Amino acid sequence: AQTIHQWPVAEIKAVGSPLSLGCTIKGKSSPNLYWYWQATGGTLQQLFYSITVGQVESVVQLNLSASRPKDDQFILSTEKLLLSHSGFYLCAWRTGGGDTQYFGPGTRLLVL
Amino acid sequence: GDSVTQTEGQVALSEEDFLTIHCNYSASGYPALFWYVQYPGEGPQFLFRASRDKEKGSSRGFEATYDKGTTSFHLRKASVQESDSAVYYCALGASSGSWQLIFGSGTQLTVMP
Repeated sequence: AQTIHQWPVAEIKAVGSPLSLGCTIKGKSSPNLYWYWQATGGTLQQLFYSITVGQVESVVQLNLSASRPKDDQFILSTEKLLLSHSGFYLCAWRTGGGDTQYFGPGTRLLVL
Repeated sequence: GDSVTQTEGQVALSEEDFLTIHCNYSASGYPALFWYVQYPGEGPQFLFRASRDKEKGSSRGFEATYDKGTTSFHLRKASVQESDSAVYYCALGASSGSWQLIFGSGTQLTVMP
């Protein structure tokens, strides 16, 4: 069975500080991976996706970047946080042959 | 561009009531359509999908039928329970890029005992 893990569970950070969020998926080789952002009470907005190691495509840029250093790992980061970065960050995966995305538990970020 | 519209922002029902949450889409061809459910503090859970006209998706007592003519994929359940209280999202699979999911604005369902 596939499991998806996101870390940390929650973060409180200061404006201007760096950020790194992680996502790991186990039990599935070469998944397509996605990052989403959800404002409190809002809908989900896709930020990045990756089909393979080392390749990341941006869908919406919010002064964030993403990297895929390993087949099972997806990282979201920024060097300088903004207040608008607060929200819920979700990682999702999809098999190469399917069209359904499955979501991780999410990371809650509060920027003060 | 492709889009999904959910008309109800909030729905309040009593247990055993019938549920309908409306979802309409705008896209060319036959995009895959999805329903997800999100409980507080958790990631969205996949409910079911459909990708052909008149195809019905179902799970956990919820169902929806793909209707190309009315460009709709309305979520229905015959008898809701308090445990169904959550936010429900309709989504469309856009074929541009790597299967981008475009979500509707979500519908908060509250079921009172």
